[in-house]
Amino acid sequence: QLQLQESGPGLVKPSETLSLTCTVSGGSISSSSYYWGWIRQPPGKGLEWIGSIYYSGSTYYNPSLKSRVTISVDTSKNQFSLKLSSVTAADTAVYYCARHVRATVTPNWFDPWGQGTLVTVSS
Amino acid sequence: DIVMTQSPDSLAVSLGERATINCKSSQSVLYSSNNKNYLAWYQQKPGQPPKLLIYWASTRESGVPDRFSGSGSGTDFTLTISSLQAEDVAVYYCQQYYSTPLFTFGPGTKVDIK
Repeated sequence: QLQLQESGPGLVKPSETLSLTCTVSGGSISSSSYYWGWIRQPPGKGLEWIGSIYYSGSTYYNPSLKSRVTISVDTSKNQFSLKLSSVTAADTAVYYCARHVRATVTPNWFDPWGQGTLVTVSS
Repeated sequence: DIVMTQSPDSLAVSLGERATINCKSSQSVLYSSNNKNYLAWYQQKPGQPPKLLIYWASTRESGVPDRFSGSGSGTDFTLTISSLQAEDVAVYYCQQYYSTPLFTFGPGTKVDIK
């Protein structure tokens, strides 16, 4: 059964770069049927898609975050990573990684999701 | 951008009764070339990540109880829980995947027991 696990610092200072890694187990990140995505959820609020990456390195980014986001993939480690630069308190959220199912040419729904990791931006 | 709205914000339903959640997109998510609605539903229980329930607006994910059903087309969609169980207490989100590269979620509907 496919599992995803987020890892990274739980506290980041304002103006610094948030870095998270998602480790995929129970399946290959190099499958042609999937992208791999990041979604975040501020405390008590809704879900915001950040971006997704294909095993080849092809990416989609949320236009509202694109200038600050970099998503990369390491197929040898079955991992993909998120970097979000110049963070502020507004970036405080639970960050989820998820498999982004590609049932058509472009990615579609998210399944499954990792457990999520809370990242707090504070000095 | 496609904006997703949901109604109501929250609802309380008696055990065994029907719960109905509505989702509306600001533009059609029906793709004419394949006649599919690019819409998914998720369930998020407290302290847990979202779980996929339905995709293509009405296709139930494997293992999801058949009391959950999705319907609708174009811009208006419904998630129905035919007989609410205690374990269905959660927040439910719709998500459109028609508009690439911006996948957007609705604001969520909280379902509680009356």
